[in-house]
This record gives sequence, structure tokens and C-alpha cells, in this order.
Amino acid sequence: AQKVTQAQTEISVVEKEDVTLDCVYETRDTTYYLFWYKQPPSGELVFLIRRNSFDEQNEISGRYSWNFQKSTSSFNFTITASQVVDSAVYFCALSEKNFNKFYFGSGTKLNVKP
Amino acid sequence: DADVTQTPRNRITKTGKRIMLECSQTKGHDRMYWYRQDPGLGLRLIYYSFDVKDINKGEISDGYSVSRQAQAKFSLSLESAIPNQTALYFCATSDYPQETQYFGPGTRLLVL
Repeated sequence: AQKVTQAQTEISVVEKEDVTLDCVYETRDTTYYLFWYKQPPSGELVFLIRRNSFDEQNEISGRYSWNFQKSTSSFNFTITASQVVDSAVYFCALSEKNFNKFYFGSGTKLNVKP
Repeated sequence: DADVTQTPRNRITKTGKRIMLECSQTKGHDRMYWYRQDPGLGLRLIYYSFDVKDINKGEISDGYSVSRQAQAKFSLSLESAIPNQTALYFCATSDYPQETQYFGPGTRLLVL
């Protein structure tokens, strides 16, 4: 079974629309960390956020927000008022502290059209 | 200057050649990783190292080897390159216990 599932392979929206990228994870560890990374067309991987398993507070950073829900093992990422520059592949990842493992989802490609 | 650097950034080689990809970091992290990314796929772990004397295989280590020359340097070698090793290769470092991984810019490798 996949540790991190990003069911949306590709999403297309028009600029200024809001968009949510889904991430579902699976772990037996009690202490773990969740991450989102952005990979723009240029190819580099940019760290966006880390959330530990004991902190379920949602986080907002500008147009970006993250919704962490342990009850559903989800860590979803919302972009408000999307812009063309948001076009990228977004990866969700899980780090299991006690198992020393790091897992990436397969990524969601976001296309924001003008 | 970038915290994690990779050389070369692009490489074309022929089947059967031995090549080395290099990674250096100035973040002072003990943990370093090599991943490959294929089109439409996520990242797959090749090797990882928690310190200079600790090297571990990842999920796809066959056909690869690594060397941890120092805390700051971690090299990936393809002993005899084959076309299906054509991919984008990333080096990463991480801190402990937060385990955030910071990535280099990637090396695009084409094996003909």
C-alpha cells in the first residue's frame, strides 16, 4: 500500500480560481512529519511546509493554506486566487520519525491558465 | 550561494560508461540522500546516509553505488550506465529530528 497518496494526477484551473490538492497518508508511527514541496517547470524542488503529527492547527501563508486532519489521515493544500506562477507539480511527503523513513507521493500537476 | 549543489547539472553518456554525480552541501546536515525522478512519477530513493560511516540502500539501489567522502559530500556512481537510468537525479540533505529534506537543483542524465 502506498504510504502517501495523491489521487489527483493533474488539475487545470483558470487564474484566480481556488484549488485544493489532496494528500492522504498512512503510517503506524505516532510521531511523524508531513511536507509539501513544489516543483516548477524549471525542475528544482522547493520546500513549502512541514507539519508534525502533534500539531493539527491549520496554517496559512499568503495565498497558501494547509488543512491537517488526523482523523482522515489527510494533509490537503489549498491555493487561493491561483496565479499562472503556481503552475507546477506539487508533492506531498511523509517522514516517520521512529522508522527513519521518508516517502513521497506521486505528485499532482497543477496547470493554471490565464 | 546554494546550500545544496549538484554537479554536473546535465550529462549525456553512452551505455556501459561509468559516471559519477556529485553532491555538496553547506547546511551542516549529517543526513544525505540520492533520489531519481522519472517523468510522471514521484521520487524514488536510491541510497541514503545518516553519517559518514553509515550508508544504506534505498528502494532502487541496483546498478548504483555511493560514496560519502565527508559530511558535506555524497557521490552517486552508475557503474555501467544503461538507457533506463535516464532520469532526473536529486541529492537532498536533512536535519534531525525535524527531517525536512532540502534538495539540490537536480542532474538531468541521458544514457544513450
